[in-house]
Amino acid sequence: QQQVKQSPQSLIVQKGGISIINCAYENTAFDYFPWYQQFPGKGPALLIAIRPDVSEKKEGRFTISFNKSAKQFSLHIMDSQPGDSATYFCAASIASGSRLTFGEGTQLTVNP
Amino acid sequence: NAGVMQNPRHLVRRRGQEARLRCSPMKGHSHVYWYRQLPEEGLKFMVYLQKENIIDESGMPKERFSAEFPKEGPSILRIQQVVRGDSAAYFCASSPTPLATLSYEQYFGPGTRLTVT
Repeated sequence: QQQVKQSPQSLIVQKGGISIINCAYENTAFDYFPWYQQFPGKGPALLIAIRPDVSEKKEGRFTISFNKSAKQFSLHIMDSQPGDSATYFCAASIASGSRLTFGEGTQLTVNP
Repeated sequence: NAGVMQNPRHLVRRRGQEARLRCSPMKGHSHVYWYRQLPEEGLKFMVYLQKENIIDESGMPKERFSAEFPKEGPSILRIQQVVRGDSAAYFCASSPTPLATLSYEQYFGPGTRLTVT
């Protein structure tokens, strides 16, 4: 019940295209859903996050869509760039200050 | 404002030796989390600490692993008698005091890559 399922495992997109990564969870107690970006050899960097009281949050080219009834959330990267090529992780936690449960990760490649 | 600091960045240990990983949280952050990332896998929670307190160690292996966050100095993750299966990237994250800020964000350090030979 603590798992977060992420798909696809890998994704190849052309420059300028839209990258979409999906996550699903079971535990309805989760109330914080961040996305992290990780480059090889680096630590995960917080990209954008959402709470369940809103259905969408946009920051620049990155948008989180959240569907509470379906227990799903997704990351959309608009106008994808080669510099966006990285591994993306979704995560979830219960309440402030608690541990993050991560998805398995999606390796995104944006071709020039 | 410096980010989360971890050292060493790379650590090589022979089987049976001890590994000590250090983490200094961001300035103003009093909560530290340790995660482990095995090759080609996601991050798995290990332990959550505040100053001088272990809040949640449910992800920590029962033997050989311990963590502390003393009143002064960095948080330490200690692995005794390392085995090859301990080879992984160990990440530390910090967050501000949740009740004071209602902040959920965790910020990660660059990690320590442990290799056991």
